[in-house]
Amino acid sequence: GAVVSQHPSRVICKSGTSVKIECRSLDFQATTMFWYRQFPKQSLMLMATSNEGSKATYEQGVEKDKFLINHASLTLSTLTVTSAHPEDSSFYICSAGPREGLYEQYFGPGTRLTVT
Amino acid sequence: RKEVEQDPGPFNVPEGATVAFNCTYSNSASQSFFWYRQDCRKEPKLLMSVYSSGNEDGRFTAQLNRASQYISLLIRDSKLSDSATYLCVVNIKGTYKYIFGTGTRLKVLA
Repeated sequence: GAVVSQHPSRVICKSGTSVKIECRSLDFQATTMFWYRQFPKQSLMLMATSNEGSKATYEQGVEKDKFLINHASLTLSTLTVTSAHPEDSSFYICSAGPREGLYEQYFGPGTRLTVT
Repeated sequence: RKEVEQDPGPFNVPEGATVAFNCTYSNSASQSFFWYRQDCRKEPKLLMSVYSSGNEDGRFTAQLNRASQYISLLIRDSKLSDSATYLCVVNIKGTYKYIFGTGTRLKVLA
């Protein structure tokens, strides 16, 4: 149980375009989903917390107009990187939780974004 | 000072060795603690939660010292497949947010 999927797993796009990443909890309903970014040799940095049916809460320094988050249902959250630039190239990982009151988060397999 | 600090390593150990990692956290409102394992270019996977009384799962033992605000992970009889980065993760009371340490790299050598 506690499977989280992410799509796409890898995307290459041109500078200035927008990219949408989907995160789904497959076998449980996630009231909260999280979006992280990880640069090479660094740890995961939380970008935003997404609650179903409400606006996402962004961490300090993360531009909400650039990273659009939509949590339309208890099993789906999307992250759209708008007007992507090469510096947005990173590994984007979502997680979902809690499940049955537990504080454990379950991570998707990640999306590797390369902006050329 | 980072909220969650770990020695980045790498720790290079021979197969069969016992290795221990420590992690310190600064937020006294931290309530839940975890060790995650992350393989290169993959997502983190939950290794174990850390309970106040300490807990063991096979070759892995986790300890929590709230007074000193540190967490430890002990791996006994290291296997080649244990090579990975081990992430110390702290959850802040009243939130579902995770704060990640930078991770400790372990290389188990044949």
